[in-house]
Amino acid sequence: AQSVTQPDIHITVSEGASLELRCNYSYGATPYLFWYVQSPGQGLQLLLKYFSGDTLVQGIKGFEAEFKRSQSSFNLRKPSVHWSDAAEYFCAVGASGNQFYFGTGTSLTVIP
Amino acid sequence: DTAVSQTPKYLVTQMGNDKSIKCEQNLGHDTMYWYKQDSKKFLKIMFSYNNKELIINETVPNRFSPKSPDKAHLNLHINSLELGDSAVYFCASGTWDTQYFGPGTRLTVL
Repeated sequence: AQSVTQPDIHITVSEGASLELRCNYSYGATPYLFWYVQSPGQGLQLLLKYFSGDTLVQGIKGFEAEFKRSQSSFNLRKPSVHWSDAAEYFCAVGASGNQFYFGTGTSLTVIP
Repeated sequence: DTAVSQTPKYLVTQMGNDKSIKCEQNLGHDTMYWYKQDSKKFLKIMFSYNNKELIINETVPNRFSPKSPDKAHLNLHINSLELGDSAVYFCASGTWDTQYFGPGTRLTVL
C-alpha cells in the first residue's frame, strides 16, 4: 500500500539557517512525488514535484528536493530560511488512478 | 481573480443538520477534488470529479455527496452531520500532477 511518512512533526530553525525536511514513501512503482506548503489559514501551494530524470529538483521560493530511490526518500531543503517560510509542509505521492497520499505534515517555526 | 474559491470560509452547525460547501474554479480544469484535513493536519482525498463523472470515491460515508453542476463547480453536501465531521475541507482542481487548492472551509459540528 502507498504511504508517506514525515518523521518530524515540528522543526524550529533560526532565520538564515539551512533547512531539511524529511519525507519517506512507500510505493510499488516509480513514484510521483510532491512537496506542498500550507501557510496559516491558507490552502496548499505546490512547491515542487518529481516525476523522472534529474533526481535533484528545483522549486519555488528557493526550495529544492532530492529523490533517493535507495532510501525511498524525497527530502526538502533550503539553504537559508526566511521568516516567511514558517508554515506547514506536506510531502505527497501520486499513484495511479489519479490518487494522492499526503504525509501528516511538518510544522516549521522560524526564530529571529 | 481567485483561481479556486470556496464558500463559506467558516461553518458552525449542530449535529444532525445538513450543510453544503461550494467550490468554484476558473482555471478551466477538467478535474476537481475534495480533501478533508483533520485536527492533526492529516490530509485525505475524499472525491474527485472529471467532466461530471466521479472517478475517485475513497472510503467516505455516504452522508457525503459531491455535486458538480458544471465543470467549474464541485459542491460538497453533507447530511446528518456528526461531531467527527469537524475538520477543514479543501477543494482543489487541476491535473493529477499539479493541483491548485482553495483556501479551505473550517467546519465545526457542535
